[in-house]
Amino acid sequence: EAGVTQSPTHLIKTRGQQATLRCSPISGHTSVYWYQQALGLGLQFLLWYDEGEERNRGNFPPRFSGRQFPNYSSELNVNALELEDSALYLCASSVRQRYEQYFGPGTRLTVT
Amino acid sequence: EDQVTQSPEALRLQEGESSSLNCSYTVSGLRGLFWYRQDPGKGPEFLFTLYSAGEEKEKERLKATLTKKESFLHITAPKPEDSATYLCAVETGNQFYFGTGTSLTVIP
Repeated sequence: EAGVTQSPTHLIKTRGQQATLRCSPISGHTSVYWYQQALGLGLQFLLWYDEGEERNRGNFPPRFSGRQFPNYSSELNVNALELEDSALYLCASSVRQRYEQYFGPGTRLTVT
Repeated sequence: EDQVTQSPEALRLQEGESSSLNCSYTVSGLRGLFWYRQDPGKGPEFLFTLYSAGEEKEKERLKATLTKKESFLHITAPKPEDSATYLCAVETGNQFYFGTGTSLTVIP
């Protein structure tokens, strides 16, 4: 069974640009979660999508947004990039809330 | 304020030397507690889910336990391949909180 996949692996942007990160969940999983893992910090919850709708978001500004498509894949958009947005962005999927989350390998975003 | 605290931050063990990692939490409405293993540059790998105080789960050399305020990850006779960062996370309805992890190094 294929795991959670994320693309691209690495992304380099300059301050002020926009970044789009993509995630494909495990087949049969309807929930997708996005996390930010900055160097030296723990995973910070960003967004949770289930059945195409945003269920909740963490304490991040509105320039962090995303969506979930009918096939349950998801994308995360970060507008007006700032240097401190440089981090590993992890996507996870689950069958539904309260079940374990399975993580992808992440997208390393570097903002220069 | 909801938070998850893991200790110690780092742990070095000799191969075969058993120990425990701690995850304490102060959240309202705990729905589940999760343990993950993360290797450098990779996404976390799911290990266990615990839902209620008194619950225990085992997998190979790892055993996770849960009380009302904390969870322990016991590592019995660790091997070098157990070296990784172990993350604890809690779910409280619509929010998910991760600790900063314990970096475990097992020396041959």
